[in-house]
Amino acid sequence: GIQVEQSPPDLILQEGANSTLRCNFSDSVNNLQWFHQNPWGQLINLFYIPSGTKQNGRLSATTVATERYSLLYISSSQTTDSGVYFCAVALPNAGGTSYGKLTFGQGTILTVHP
Amino acid sequence: DSGVTQTPKHLITATGQRVTLRCSPRSGDLSVYWYQQSLDQGLQFLIQYYNGEERAKGNILERFSAQQFPDLHSELNLSSLELGDSALYFCASSVEDSYGYTFGSGTRLTVV
Repeated sequence: GIQVEQSPPDLILQEGANSTLRCNFSDSVNNLQWFHQNPWGQLINLFYIPSGTKQNGRLSATTVATERYSLLYISSSQTTDSGVYFCAVALPNAGGTSYGKLTFGQGTILTVHP
Repeated sequence: DSGVTQTPKHLITATGQRVTLRCSPRSGDLSVYWYQQSLDQGLQFLIQYYNGEERAKGNILERFSAQQFPDLHSELNLSSLELGDSALYFCASSVEDSYGYTFGSGTRLTVV
């Protein structure tokens, strides 16, 4: 199956700092999503980004599908950004869809101190 | 509120028992996915239903089964429970496969 590797595994920041999280995947994908799991366990969808660049407030993401990686940028971090960030991907099937079977990476644990 | 409703939020049960977890997808979403999150295995895909029919299967144990009803809500049935089944079970929904997922808040299952 497809391999998803996220780096770094842990990241500790002071409030206001910027950071970049990376997701490498081992095969061509047609579905890539970034999620934030907050300290209460809720999984929040940040981006659906199989290719290209998107921005949402202080967060932005870029996926270079041909080189099999995606980056999540967090600017001016806040304590509420703490939690685990997951990258998840799905392979296309013979019909071109992915059947939605997302494979998750192990996550990056982000801690933002005030 | 994400729009995906999971019940119950917490469940404590004994080994050997059977439980049912319920999920109501976001309005308009036809796909429902079930995931298991444990400390050692991370987030694992279990099964997907699309508009009432099973569409994809992951590493779902034979003791586990699921279905999606005509009103699109879904149930995950876990039987002959073992201590190792203790985990957070998430349901997610989407309009189609190639769209973003919306996750529910999860059901925390503890088997004692």
